[in-house]
Amino acid sequence: GEDVEQSLFLSVREGDSSVINCTYTDSSSTYLYWYKQEPGAGLQLLTYIFSNMDMKQDQRLTVLLNKKDKHLSLRIADTQTGDSAIYFCAESILTGGGNKLTFGTGTQLKVEL
Amino acid sequence: DVKVTQSSRYLVKRTGEKVFLECVQDMDHENMFWYRQDPGLGLRLIYFSYDVKMKEKGDIPEGYSVSREKKERFSLILESASTNQTSMYLCASSPRPPHFYGYTFGSGTRLTVV
Repeated sequence: GEDVEQSLFLSVREGDSSVINCTYTDSSSTYLYWYKQEPGAGLQLLTYIFSNMDMKQDQRLTVLLNKKDKHLSLRIADTQTGDSAIYFCAESILTGGGNKLTFGTGTQLKVEL
Repeated sequence: DVKVTQSSRYLVKRTGEKVFLECVQDMDHENMFWYRQDPGLGLRLIYFSYDVKMKEKGDIPEGYSVSREKKERFSLILESASTNQTSMYLCASSPRPPHFYGYTFGSGTRLTVV
């Protein structure tokens, strides 16, 4: 079955690194994603990683994928107050005519001064 | 600028009313999705559609139905609204075959049923 889990809250100080973790259960996932949701808004794609990759870096963001343990993480370097948001991981599974995304519960990141 | 547009940001309805939530995308995407978002539960898939006039149940379809008469429009219908359907509703679309960028989301409709 499909189940994506995240811790609900994370609090960091401005300038520190944030690490948000995610575990998933479906080994047939093709892509894994990180989305960001700011208050009152929809979800915005932050970054993604293909399932045959171990790591992807994109400016302040680093995604690590451990396929053996089905563990995905998002590291945000030099965290700023504007990074305060809910972060969702999601896995993409091919079904029928298209891809279906299953989302985690979301991690609320709070950045303190 | 490509987008997914949800017709209302905030909606207040009475118990028992029939409620329509509308979603329109301008990207010519084949796939469209309706999710509801509740604190601590993340996003849960209600219904999705891979083509015009096609629909498939997601994880929590009870109490909902959908309509896709045109490629760009996907409507979510609450036949008889209940207070436990108070939630944030998010519409999304994606192309077929799947693209690395996943889904594009609308801004959401916050529905309150009183």
